[in-house]
Amino acid sequence: EPEVTQTPSHQVTQMGQEVILRCVPISNHLYFYWYRQILGQKVEFLVSFYNNEISEKSEIFDDQFSVERPDGSNFTLKIRSTKLEDSAMYFCASSLRAEGYGYTFGSGTRLTVV
Amino acid sequence: GESVGLHLPTLSVQEGDNSIINCAYSNSASDYFIWYKQESGKGPQFIIDIRSNMDKRQGQRVTVLLNKTVKHLSLQIAATQPGDSAVYFCAENRRYGGSQGNLIFGKGTKLSVKP
Repeated sequence: EPEVTQTPSHQVTQMGQEVILRCVPISNHLYFYWYRQILGQKVEFLVSFYNNEISEKSEIFDDQFSVERPDGSNFTLKIRSTKLEDSAMYFCASSLRAEGYGYTFGSGTRLTVV
Repeated sequence: GESVGLHLPTLSVQEGDNSIINCAYSNSASDYFIWYKQESGKGPQFIIDIRSNMDKRQGQRVTVLLNKTVKHLSLQIAATQPGDSAVYFCAENRRYGGSQGNLIFGKGTKLSVKP
């Protein structure tokens, strides 16, 4: 069964450092998403991406965040200057269609900012 | 306030019993709802979905019920097994504002199955 792959599974970084979280969506999917989940809390939407541009973003997705699909295969989330409160699980997801149908989530990257 | 939320944070059931997990939503414009299962250290796993033009949908051992009148969603798991132990989230897709498919998640209910 096709799956969304995320690397690394765990990333530890110092406050103020830049991090890049990587995702390989399902190959024929067209819509890509990043979500985050702070420990013990609900999953929160960050950003959606379609046709090489951001479709929608939440209040969490401020100027410190950016996304990119550099090569038609990978989908990355960059945090320019990490803060302690960025510590969370970050999930990538992809779907074939818009409107939330047929989402597949990756297993996530646990980001720890120290 | 919360748009999508769950009534109970934890639910403990005996193996073999049926489980019912509830969810409330507040946006009547939402037209697509999904239940996800999340095991420790893993991403949300799709269980079952339902569109707003339906009030019931059945899968293998799972049933989702949608009551649009009171904006309530429930997940029923028949003959609950130890492998069903996980956190269950409901999520909704909002159509207003040209949403491109971002999901709004509830807080989750932890289901524990006792052998």
